[in-house]
Order: sequence, then C-alpha cells, then structure tokens
Amino acid sequence: QVQLQESGPGLVKPSETLSLTCTVSGGSLNNHYWSWIRQPPGGGLEWIGYIYYKGSRNYNPSLKSRLTVSIDTSKNQFFLRLNSVSSADTAVYYCAREGDGGGWFDIWGQGALVTVSS
Amino acid sequence: SYVLTQPPSVSVAPGQTARITCGGNNVGTKGIHWYQQKPGQAPVLVVYDDTDRPSGIPERFSGAKSGNTATLTISRVEAGDEADYYCQVWDTSSGHLYIFGNGTKVSV
Repeated sequence: QVQLQESGPGLVKPSETLSLTCTVSGGSLNNHYWSWIRQPPGGGLEWIGYIYYKGSRNYNPSLKSRLTVSIDTSKNQFFLRLNSVSSADTAVYYCAREGDGGGWFDIWGQGALVTVSS
Repeated sequence: SYVLTQPPSVSVAPGQTARITCGGNNVGTKGIHWYQQKPGQAPVLVVYDDTDRPSGIPERFSGAKSGNTATLTISRVEAGDEADYYCQVWDTSSGHLYIFGNGTKVSV
C-alpha cells in the first residue's frame, strides 16, 4: 500500500529556509494532489499547500509569499520550502495524499517535527 | 476566510455515544471529512464525504449533516477512541483551500 515519509532537518534557524521532502512508496504520484499540512505543538491542523502530479500548485494565502512546493515524479518525491522562518513556524509537518479528488486526505506521513530556534 | 467551529471537548462514558459537531457557513453545500488523531500520531481519516467510511474504520463511526452543522457520532465508545477529532472541508469558494476545524478532544 502507498506510504509517505517526511524527511529533512529538525532544527532551522530564524530567518532561514525550512526544507522538507516527502517520499512516496508503494505507488506513484500520478493522478493525485499532494499536500503539506502542519500542526504547531498543542495546536490544530493547518493546510499549507498542494501540488498536482502534473505540477499545478495552490497555497494557503497566509503562507504564499514564503512558500514553494515542488515535485519530482521520477523520484516519487515532492518538496516543501518555507522561507524566512520564525518561531511561529515550529510545528510537526505532515505530507498527505488527497483521495480521489474529493477533498479529503486518505494517506498521511508520520510527520516531522521542525523547530525554529537559534 | 472560511471557519469551521467545533466544541473544544466532549466527555463520554465507555459504552455510551459521543457526538462531535462541526459548524460553518454553507456546511450543507460542502463535503465534510473527519479525522481521528491520537497523541504522537498522524491523523487518520474516519469519515469522508459526510457519511462514508474508509475501509477498516468500524461502523461505530458515522457522519451526518443537517443544515449548517455536521456531526460525527461514535457509538459504543471504547477507551481506544480517546483522541482529538477534526472536521475538514475543501472550500472552493475561497480559492480551493482546505480548511480544518479547531478540533475536539474526546475523553473517555
């Protein structure tokens, strides 16, 4: 079955760039939308942005100016880059697959904690 | 921006029924999806498109909608159902954004 796995640095300095990779195994990226979602410590879920396997993107307006989501179908990976981070960006970052184009997330990665601190 | 409102907490005795509400403008016109999140774990989809259950989710979990309120019902609650529950919509009216509710802590 399809599995997702986030990877990347767990500690990022303020004002620098947060970069994460989501590796998809057990299936391909084709025909799905792939999202990043985050959850601050003790907080709720916030959708960050998505990328379609053909490359179209959509971002949360609150993060759009600092955000890039990209994809590499040959490696079965998609990526998150968030610039100019602050402590408010400290969170568990999840990658997730949208199921069947219906607007729900049917498969999630286990999550990666990223702490922004000097 | 679109907002989904859930009660912060629900307390229920084992074997009883828990009901979690999710309210928002025009909820009646949108597909509502529900997730269960246990401490330290990723969310798990338990209901999609208002009433459908993914394979492997017990029938004790059911969804319904009336007017601008959606409800997740957990019947015959077990200790293992203690978790945070989030509702979610795909809001096409504000630019195809995914919106989550604030979450409800279910205590058993």
